[in-house]
Amino acid sequence: KQEVTQIPAALSVPEGENLVLNCSFTDSAIYNLQWFRQDPGKGLTSLLLIQSSQREQTSGRLNASLDKSSGRSTLYIAASQPGDSATYLCAVQEGSNYQLIWGAGTKLIIKP
Amino acid sequence: GAGVSQSPSNKVTEKGKDVELRCDPISGHTALYWYRQSLGQGLEFLIYFQGNSAPDKSGLPSDRFSAERTGGSVSTLTIQRTQQEDSAVYLCASSLEPGTSYEQYFGPGTRLTVT
Repeated sequence: KQEVTQIPAALSVPEGENLVLNCSFTDSAIYNLQWFRQDPGKGLTSLLLIQSSQREQTSGRLNASLDKSSGRSTLYIAASQPGDSATYLCAVQEGSNYQLIWGAGTKLIIKP
Repeated sequence: GAGVSQSPSNKVTEKGKDVELRCDPISGHTALYWYRQSLGQGLEFLIYFQGNSAPDKSGLPSDRFSAERTGGSVSTLTIQRTQQEDSAVYLCASSLEPGTSYEQYFGPGTRLTVT
């Protein structure tokens, strides 16, 4: 059974710092891995999707990597801003239902 | 075009009542998914539709839960005889047919509170 783990559970850093969020998964038979952002009381915003054949994806200040063989992904946020404060969720897509299996999230606080 | 929409945005119901949650997917998206986000449980998959068919309903937490999709578009998630543990945010997502594009686009969710 696929398990997705995110470390750390919470992170607080000063504005301007570069940071890395980690995601690991136990079964490498995935279609893709996605990173989402969730603001309090709001829905999910897709940030990056990495296909299983890809190694990384970039969007603006965000860069996500995927090492399928080791079951790991990282989300790198450059030059963090207070507006980046949110919960970041990692999910892998797998199976005949193409379902997303989710990590518990990393709650990120960027201090001005 | 519009994104995925869900209604109602909030629903408060008494224990034992039935509720219906609605999802309108992005036009042209053949795949539709329901997820649940509850405190202490995180996000969990409930059911997947390809067109009007749900090949596997094993993700539904109990037989009080059912879902249908009509016309390859709107989907309804029904919870019968609601219990307090059903309180959660119910999220719907849609995508193009898997195999062409797997990215799932999420609606804003329905927050269900069972009192």
